[in-house]
Amino acid sequence: DVKVTQSSRYLVKRTGEKVFLECVQDMDHENMFWYRQDPGLGLRLIYFSYDVKMKEKGDIPEGYSVSREKKERFSLILESASTNQTSMYLCASSAGPDEQYFGPGTRLTVT
Amino acid sequence: GIQVEQSPPDLILQEGANSTLRCNFSDSVNNLQWFHQNPWGQLINLFYIPSGTKQNGRLSATTVATERYSLLYISSSQTTDSGVYFCAVGDSGGSNYKLTFGKGTLLTVNP
Repeated sequence: DVKVTQSSRYLVKRTGEKVFLECVQDMDHENMFWYRQDPGLGLRLIYFSYDVKMKEKGDIPEGYSVSREKKERFSLILESASTNQTSMYLCASSAGPDEQYFGPGTRLTVT
Repeated sequence: GIQVEQSPPDLILQEGANSTLRCNFSDSVNNLQWFHQNPWGQLINLFYIPSGTKQNGRLSATTVATERYSLLYISSSQTTDSGVYFCAVGDSGGSNYKLTFGKGTLLTVNP
């Protein structure tokens, strides 16, 4: 079974802090994704990566950056957290354009 | 960008009933996936179905790409089917890895 893990289930940070969200997949997938989910808005793509050190902006990249130094790991970075970044963050991976596999999510609260 | 509309937004069923969820999209697609998010927040891929019909147990899906809609059928519903069902599409004018999600259908199955 594909397993996608995220470093924290719940996270509380203060405004202005630098925040790292980590995602690891164990199926040697080429592609990894970061989404945020907000009530009434569904899921929105922040960034995705199709290879090590390669990345592409999604629909809402502002305020975020990403890092992929190893194939199995994809990090989402909030350079200076703000209250409007309070959300559920979901990581996913896929071998191809089909079937994205999701992690359990990290609920981030910025106070 | 491409627009994705799901209907109905909410659906309440008695166990054993059948249901049809609809996904309309505003442009040609090169990717369409259906997901189920359980009450604990875990997203599971149900179908990758940019066109045609697929079945998996009590669930089946049909996409009519030329008419820009997809349907998810749930037969003999069970309480474990409760949760939010998302349709996500990839715009054929862009990368088929970039998915745009609808806002979901919240399904509640009562015993």
